[in-house]
Amino acid sequence: KNEVEQSPQNLTAQEGEFITINCSYSVGISALHWLQQHPGGGIVSLFMLSSGKKKHGRLIATINIQEKHSSLHITASHPRDSAVYICAVRLRGGSQGNLIFGKGTKLSVKP
Amino acid sequence: DTAVSQTPKYLVTQMGNDKSIKCEQNLGHDTMYWYKQDSKKFLKIMFSYNNKELIINETVPNRFSPKSPDKAHLNLHINSLELGDSAVYFCASSQELVLAVTDTQYFGPGTRLTVL
Repeated sequence: KNEVEQSPQNLTAQEGEFITINCSYSVGISALHWLQQHPGGGIVSLFMLSSGKKKHGRLIATINIQEKHSSLHITASHPRDSAVYICAVRLRGGSQGNLIFGKGTKLSVKP
Repeated sequence: DTAVSQTPKYLVTQMGNDKSIKCEQNLGHDTMYWYKQDSKKFLKIMFSYNNKELIINETVPNRFSPKSPDKAHLNLHINSLELGDSAVYFCASSQELVLAVTDTQYFGPGTRLTVL
């Protein structure tokens, strides 16, 4: 079992829909990242959070430390949001500087 | 003014060859990383360097040898390439090794390695 699990693995939505991607982890963490990987392969860091909620434009990320769960929401989705969204956690203690990645959620937004 | 750059972007080579991938960051960061993304899109850390010193070395074959000539560069040299080495390799950097909650990692664009 992976230490970081994402769901769903694949997600197809119609333009304008509200989207939720989930991430659960089983290790102690100091922070959690949401990353976006475009079809061309480039990776962009969207959020880093250790508690509560962060918002950037149409993107919202939440984390519940007690439940070891985070969600990434996209409001009013658009075809340009189509990408792979990756959750990654930073371990608390242990191997410093290490991130453990989920397998990603492939999102396709249809016009 | 690219933050983290990698060269080459694509690399196609024969089994048994030796190749290098270069990474440079102009962010003034102290820590650099190499990640491997396999065909299933799963990212795994390979190495981490802090101030030119190797800090993390995950279970990676000895054929892979990172080299950090200075803080801004972390190159990956691969000897005797094998079919299973085909993947996308990402370089990244961050300010500190013990990452503060406000810190983040900046990724390069990736190098797609294909071993024939």
